[in-house]
Amino acid sequence: DGGITQSPKYLFRKEGQNVTLSCEQNLNHDAMYWYRQDPGQGLRLIYYSQIVNDFQKGDIAEGYSVSREKKESFPLTVTSAQKNPTAFYLCASSFLSLTEAFFGQGTRLTVV
Amino acid sequence: GQQVMQIPQYQHVQEGEDFTTYCNSSTTLSNIQWYKQRPGGHPVFLIQLVKSGEVKKQKRLTFQFGEAKKNSSLHITATQTTDVGTYFCAGRKTSGSARQLTFGSGTQLTVLP
Repeated sequence: DGGITQSPKYLFRKEGQNVTLSCEQNLNHDAMYWYRQDPGQGLRLIYYSQIVNDFQKGDIAEGYSVSREKKESFPLTVTSAQKNPTAFYLCASSFLSLTEAFFGQGTRLTVV
Repeated sequence: GQQVMQIPQYQHVQEGEDFTTYCNSSTTLSNIQWYKQRPGGHPVFLIQLVKSGEVKKQKRLTFQFGEAKKNSSLHITATQTTDVGTYFCAGRKTSGSARQLTFGSGTQLTVLP
């Protein structure tokens, strides 16, 4: 089945540790995105990538890093520099031609 | 940067009542998309509007794109309990090379039976 997969669904980490969230898509989409969602709030863009080996910061990139070594994969690392990392993280992908974005199921990260 | 504002933040309606959410952008948009997120789920694409003044319908849902391509609305007629969720608008900028999708803050709809 074609789609976008995020793993794991739930993740717990101790404060001060880096953690990497996985996002894989087999839709042949060029663009991939990472969003953060906090309770009762909208989706805030962390990073996005339009092509392999290239990515741009979104509105809240501080404390996060990404890589785009393959078209299918866009992992997000939440570093210890992120002051408030507990949140719901959503990965999405789309074609570049301004079409709809497909979202993964999300990863709920809890830092204790 | 580009901002997309959405109102209201919350809306409670009795089943059968109508519902409307409004979306306003600080910049002109190339297109606007609407998504629905069920409680505990992820956003799912509903529709995309591209043309100035465009109106599209999906059964009980009516979507409008403003003449200036800076605002949009979603209207649901005769709400049902299955309409429960958060509705987001998302706009793409017309200027620059960036094609990022900027989401509004969402309207959380509760439908009381």
